[in-house]
Amino acid sequence: RKEVEQDPGPFNVPEGATVAFNCTYSNSASQSFFWYRQDCRKEPKLLMSVYSSGNEDGRFTAQLNRASQYISLLIRDSKLSDSATYLCVADTGGFKTIFGAGTRLFVKA
Amino acid sequence: NAGVTQTPKFQVLKTGQSMTLQCAQDMNHEYMSWYRQDPGMGLRLIHYSVGAGITDQGEVPNGYNVSRSTTEDFPLRLLSAAPSQTSVYFCASSSPTFTDTQYFGPGTRLTVL
Repeated sequence: RKEVEQDPGPFNVPEGATVAFNCTYSNSASQSFFWYRQDCRKEPKLLMSVYSSGNEDGRFTAQLNRASQYISLLIRDSKLSDSATYLCVADTGGFKTIFGAGTRLFVKA
Repeated sequence: NAGVTQTPKFQVLKTGQSMTLQCAQDMNHEYMSWYRQDPGMGLRLIHYSVGAGITDQGEVPNGYNVSRSTTEDFPLRLLSAAPSQTSVYFCASSSPTFTDTQYFGPGTRLTVL
């Protein structure tokens, strides 16, 4: 089993739709969680950190469920520019972070 | 402020050749790391460093060496290239620890024939 698992998608949604991604992690010692965004053939960039209480940044909301060991990302009012791969990241309890394989999102006009 | 830079952008090697991928950052970050990204596999950690003179192995260290003589530079050496090392390589840095935002370089696309 992979340490961080994501649905690879792709998710195809129309502009204005709400879309949710889930990610599960296997290491119960993980303390830090992130969502990164990666555009085609580009480097990953931090989208947002994920806090225990949940956090929101504009149209993006991240949630953490420690009991079930999953992280979610909700995107409201999808834009064409949201088309990208979204990477879920968890630390391993040491000096390492584990990336999920990513979920591809296509937003269509 | 250039952030994280990587050279070369593209490289083709023959099996058995060696080479060094360069990575430099100008943000005075202590933590630096190397990842490889393969289709469907996400990013996998090769080696990382928590400061000058300190390095450690990640998930997939075999076939790669690193050193960290300065805070700015973290080169990755392929000792004897194999086709299985065909991948996109990303260098990243963060401060003060790995749990903070990681800034990635633009990547090196390596093909081993």
